[in-house]
Amino acid sequence: KNQVEQSPQSLIILEGKNCTLQCNYTVSPFSNLRWYKQDTGRGPVSLTIMTFSENTKSNGRYTATLDADTKQSSLHITASQLSDSASYICVVSASGGYQKVTFGTGTKLQVIP
Amino acid sequence: DAMVIQNPRYQVTQFGKPVTLSCSQTLNHNVMYWYQQKSSQAPKLLFHYYDKDFNNEADTPDNFQSRRPNTSFCFLDIRSPGLGDAAMYLCATSRDDFPGAVYEQYFGPGTRLTVT
Repeated sequence: KNQVEQSPQSLIILEGKNCTLQCNYTVSPFSNLRWYKQDTGRGPVSLTIMTFSENTKSNGRYTATLDADTKQSSLHITASQLSDSASYICVVSASGGYQKVTFGTGTKLQVIP
Repeated sequence: DAMVIQNPRYQVTQFGKPVTLSCSQTLNHNVMYWYQQKSSQAPKLLFHYYDKDFNNEADTPDNFQSRRPNTSFCFLDIRSPGLGDAAMYLCATSRDDFPGAVYEQYFGPGTRLTVT
């Protein structure tokens, strides 16, 4: 069964600090991995998308890494801001169809002043 | 600039009273999805349309129906809402033109449904 597990479940950090969120998956055959940011009461917004051949991708202060051998991904947030407070969801797609998508349950990040 | 639009953003309905949520897109994507997301949980796929072809998830209750009259619009109908149907409903789109392509899903802002 395809699964995506994220850790930690929740995280509180001080404004200006860095943090790293983890995503482990067992989706096979692997197609791509996406990180989304979901503000409370809003829809998810895409941060990065990586395929098998990519092992790092940046979007501003967000940097995602992918290790397809160990089936792990991380999302690193640099110099956090209060507006980074949100849930971060890891989503993994399997090959063979657009509909084969597995969502993680997310990491809830709170940035405090 | 909104690409996936959902209306209304907040909907309150009474137990058992039918309700319709709407989604429209300006991306001209051929695939549209409806997800249900409950508090602190991952979105759960209810069904999706590939062009006009409707695809229901096996565990989606019969209470949930969908219509897609054209490429731009998709509706979620809940025939007899129960208290357990209170959730955020997310619409998403993607483009899938040929096998092996990698396309992103674009989500709307969601509709928060409350059942009283």
